[in-house]
Order: sequence, then structure tokens, then C-alpha cells
Amino acid sequence: EDQVTQSPEALRLQEGESSSLNCSYTVSGLRGLFWYRQDPGKGPEFLFTLYSAGEEKEKERLKATLTKKESFLHITAPKPEDSATYLCAVQPSGTYKYIFGTGTRLKVLA
Amino acid sequence: GAVVSQHPSRVICKSGTSVKIECRSLDFQATTMFWYRQFPKQSLMLMATSNEGSKATYEQGVEKDKFLINHASLTLSTLTVTSAHPEDSSFYICSARRTVQSYEQYFGPGTRLTVT
Repeated sequence: EDQVTQSPEALRLQEGESSSLNCSYTVSGLRGLFWYRQDPGKGPEFLFTLYSAGEEKEKERLKATLTKKESFLHITAPKPEDSATYLCAVQPSGTYKYIFGTGTRLKVLA
Repeated sequence: GAVVSQHPSRVICKSGTSVKIECRSLDFQATTMFWYRQFPKQSLMLMATSNEGSKATYEQGVEKDKFLINHASLTLSTLTVTSAHPEDSSFYICSARRTVQSYEQYFGPGTRLTVT
């Protein structure tokens, strides 16, 4: 069964304290893995798409990486405005549907 | 680019009435649109997938007669919650996929439905 697991469930960081969020997945075939940011009461905001193992994408303080089993979202020197829930979704081969993980709630303290 | 809007952002209705939620892709034509439901502190649950001019495909456990989806054009999809009950209260979010070659989904801001 296709499955996506995110860890940790919640994370509190001091401003400037770098860390990584994990997204582990089990799918029969991977078409793509997607990272989104969601602020409370809003829809998810697209961050990255990763297609194959070894691929990396960067945007400001965020860097996403992909292996055959998992993806990491690295946050370097985070700021309070990076506080949000980060969602990982995988798209199995043969479908356009996403399977979402349960998200990591990140809180960055000033 | 890739902006998706939803209307209304919040709606309160009485039990037994119907509510329509609109989802529009503002700067692109959406090959496929998706409707999700999200409960507090939970992830998104896919309700249905719709392609322009075709009947929507509903996920297991989602009542198609209760959640009516119409995808009349490449920029507009609507979700109608019929005979709403308090248990239908939730955050409803739509997303759109841009082209046949594109796999990313772009999400709307969501609609908070409260049924009293």
C-alpha cells in the first residue's frame, strides 16, 4: 500500500538553528514528490518538485533532497516567518493523485 | 503564475441547505482539478478528481450525491454540498493541475464551511 510518513510531527527551533524535516514514502513507482508550506487557515503553497533520487532543489533558506526511500527538507538559519506546517506529497506512477503525509508543524522562536 | 482562487472564503449555513463553492484558475487553464477536505491539525484528504467536461471521480467513502462536482470549463470547478449537516463542517480546498505535462498541483486558499 502506498504510504507517506512525515517526522517529526512538530518541531520548535530557535531563530538561526538549522534542522531537517523528513518524509519517508513507500510507493510502487514514484512519478514525483512535492513539498508544500501551509499557513493556518490557508491553502498549501507550492515549494518544490523532486522527480528522481539524487535530485536537489533550493529556495532561499530551504533545500529539498530525494533518495529512493525518503526526502528531506533542510532549513538553514530559519526565521520566525518560516513557522508553518510543511507538507510532503507523493504522486505514484500511473495517477495524477497525491498521497499526503500528515505534515510537520514548525515553530521558529525569535 | 499558477494562481487559484476560491469563493467564498467562509460560509455559514443552516442544516439541510445546500452550499456551492467555486474554484477558479486565474492565469492558466486547468486540465484537472481536485477537491480536498481538511480537518483541524490533520492533513488533506482527497475527495474527488475532476476533468473538464467529464464526470468527477470520487474517492472511496465520499458520497457523490452529497458532494456534487461540476467542471464546466478549463478555469472553473464547483463543489456543491447538498443537504448540509453539522458533520460536513470542515475546511474545503481545491487544487488545479496546469497541463498534461505538469504534475504540480496549485492550491486555492480554502473555504471554511460551518453548518449550524
